[in-house]
Amino acid sequence: GENVEQHPSTLSVQEGDSAVIKCTYSDSASNYFPWYKQELGKGPQLIIDIRSNVGEKKDQRIAVTLNKTAKHFSLHITETQPEDSAVYFCAASRETSYGKLTFGQGTILTVHP
Amino acid sequence: SAVISQKPSRDICQRGTSLTIQCQVDSQVTMMFWYRQQPGQSLTLIATANQGSEATYESGFVIDKFPISRPNLTFSTLTVSNMSPEDSSIYLCSVEDLEGLAFFGNEQFFGPGTRLTVL
Repeated sequence: GENVEQHPSTLSVQEGDSAVIKCTYSDSASNYFPWYKQELGKGPQLIIDIRSNVGEKKDQRIAVTLNKTAKHFSLHITETQPEDSAVYFCAASRETSYGKLTFGQGTILTVHP
Repeated sequence: SAVISQKPSRDICQRGTSLTIQCQVDSQVTMMFWYRQQPGQSLTLIATANQGSEATYESGFVIDKFPISRPNLTFSTLTVSNMSPEDSSIYLCSVEDLEGLAFFGNEQFFGPGTRLTVL
């Protein structure tokens, strides 16, 4: 089955700096890669996703890049703010495997004011 | 995106008892799922809740321990049976609507979770 590795497990940055979280996956048939943000006491919130037919996607301060050859994808947050502090999870799934998201281990991001 | 609610939001239970968690969506959705998130850990899919039929369980999860119902397209329940302290986790429901992207991974949205502590 699919295996998703996520790094780093913790990330501490100063407000205004950029943050990068990286994930690798094992199943070359995976083609949907969402990122979730989970704040304390809440459920995961989908913040951005990318499909295998594109290499990069941006939404304001958030961007995701995908390298299918190397089987890795990354989340980039620019101009970080204290409210970006949360746990971030990457995930991967395969076409026709509805709902079978395999999650990474999570990254605790702390943005210091 | 759909608005998803779960009841209860948290509970503390005694070992050997059972707890039923409800998941309600404000619109009809194609797919509903149940996940477990153990303390400080990632999310693991328990099962797919199938409307009108038995749930589809992932490896390591069985119906006797986690019976699931889905009587319609907006509601599902997960029961955690004969609980032990190892069942202490956050239980999350999620939904995925396949309309418009029938054969491709689609956005999946999560409820707020039910925080279960078993003593």
